Amino acid sequence: ETGVTQSPTHLIKTRGQQVTLRCSSQSGHNTVSWYQQALGQGPQFIFQYYREEENGRGNFPPRFSGLQFPNYSSELNVNALELDDSALYLCASSWGVGWNQPQHFGDGTRLSIL
Amino acid sequence: AQKITQTQPGMFVQEKEAVTLDCTYDTSDPSYGLFWYKQPSSGEMIFLIYQGSYDQQNATEGRYSLNFQKARKSANLVISASQLGDSAMYFCAMREISGNDMRFGAGTRLTVKP
Repeated sequence: ETGVTQSPTHLIKTRGQQVTLRCSSQSGHNTVSWYQQALGQGPQFIFQYYREEENGRGNFPPRFSGLQFPNYSSELNVNALELDDSALYLCASSWGVGWNQPQHFGDGTRLSIL
Repeated sequence: AQKITQTQPGMFVQEKEAVTLDCTYDTSDPSYGLFWYKQPSSGEMIFLIYQGSYDQQNATEGRYSLNFQKARKSANLVISASQLGDSAMYFCAMREISGNDMRFGAGTRLTVKP
């Protein structure tokens, strides 16, 4: 069974740039959620994709956008990067959107904004 | 409003002893799931244990058990026979039937002493 994989592992960008983070879901999982984890805090929900459609969004501005592909992999795009976007970005996959489904996380992408 | 509260920023335990990490939650949904994750310094969130709101018995997974007290809205994690490799951040999280996101607490940093 292949787990959740994320790329790249680390990324350094400057203010105003755009970034794309990638996630391959665990085999058999059709739902992907993205989280932002600032240093010293718990993860914050960005959005979820289910069957290629956005299925819920947290309190993040529209410059955070995403995609899910037919193979259930996903991208997170962030435009007009700000210093506060520096964080660990975690992708999690699950089978379905049920409240009783555990989410399985990747190792994350550590994004630094200079 | 804070949905998940972890009141212990840091905990210390002697190797081979048991430790309890506290978690309280707030919800008005009748159906919800409670989850515990371990996050080593490498950043990966590792799923440990799940408890459903309708489950009559406390969940157990190896050395991990969940002390679920529904009336008190608490879901404490008990780790028995602590090992040095248990040193990490531990997050309590909840998914509700009314939402698509997983809400996390601020975490507890556990340090196991030799």
